[in-house]
Amino acid sequence: ELKVEQNPLFLSMQEGKNYTIYCNYSTTSDRLYWYRQDPGKSLESLFVLLSNGAVKQEGRLMASLDTKARLSTLHITAAVHDLSATYFCAVDRYSGGGADGLTFGKGTHLIIQP
Amino acid sequence: KAGVTQTPRYLIKTRGQQVTLSCSPISGHRSVSWYQQTPGQGLQFLFEYFSETQRNKGNFPGRFSGRQFSNSRSEMNVSTLELGDSALYLCASSLGGLLLSGANVLTFGAGSRLTVL
Repeated sequence: ELKVEQNPLFLSMQEGKNYTIYCNYSTTSDRLYWYRQDPGKSLESLFVLLSNGAVKQEGRLMASLDTKARLSTLHITAAVHDLSATYFCAVDRYSGGGADGLTFGKGTHLIIQP
Repeated sequence: KAGVTQTPRYLIKTRGQQVTLSCSPISGHRSVSWYQQTPGQGLQFLFEYFSETQRNKGNFPGRFSGRQFSNSRSEMNVSTLELGDSALYLCASSLGGLLLSGANVLTFGAGSRLTVL
């Protein structure tokens, strides 16, 4: 059974600081996704990581993937209040019948304070 | 272009009733997936449809069912509602197809929030 663990689950940080969210998964996966969810809203796709060593960056967010360690990180640089949200990592596996459903982590609830 | 549309956005039902939720995917997307989101269990995969066929199913009881129409629109049904079925039900669409490589990025709808009393 594929399991995805995120840590921390809650994170309160100050603007301007850097921090990293970790995502571990239990078995071989084909793809690693990061999503953002604002309160009362749906999920927004942030990054897709497809291969070992993949790194994607968008603004103050950078995601990386180490398939050997089964670990992905989401790094926040010089945080700003607008980045306050819940961040989910998710993995899926490809099977002969098409992509299996995503298995999500519990999410990291991030609060960035002025 | 229009995103994923889910209806209704909010609904309240009582135990024992049934409910049908609707999802219209992004134009051109042939795969529709459904997820349940609760504070306790988080996001859990319900099922995925592609070209009117259920390809994958999560670990949910048979009370949860779905279907997809020829225009890719999808519905999910929950029968004999229980209190624990209260949740946000999210629909997501993607291009689908047999992906040997590349991403299968899901675009999520705003969700249908179901409250069971």
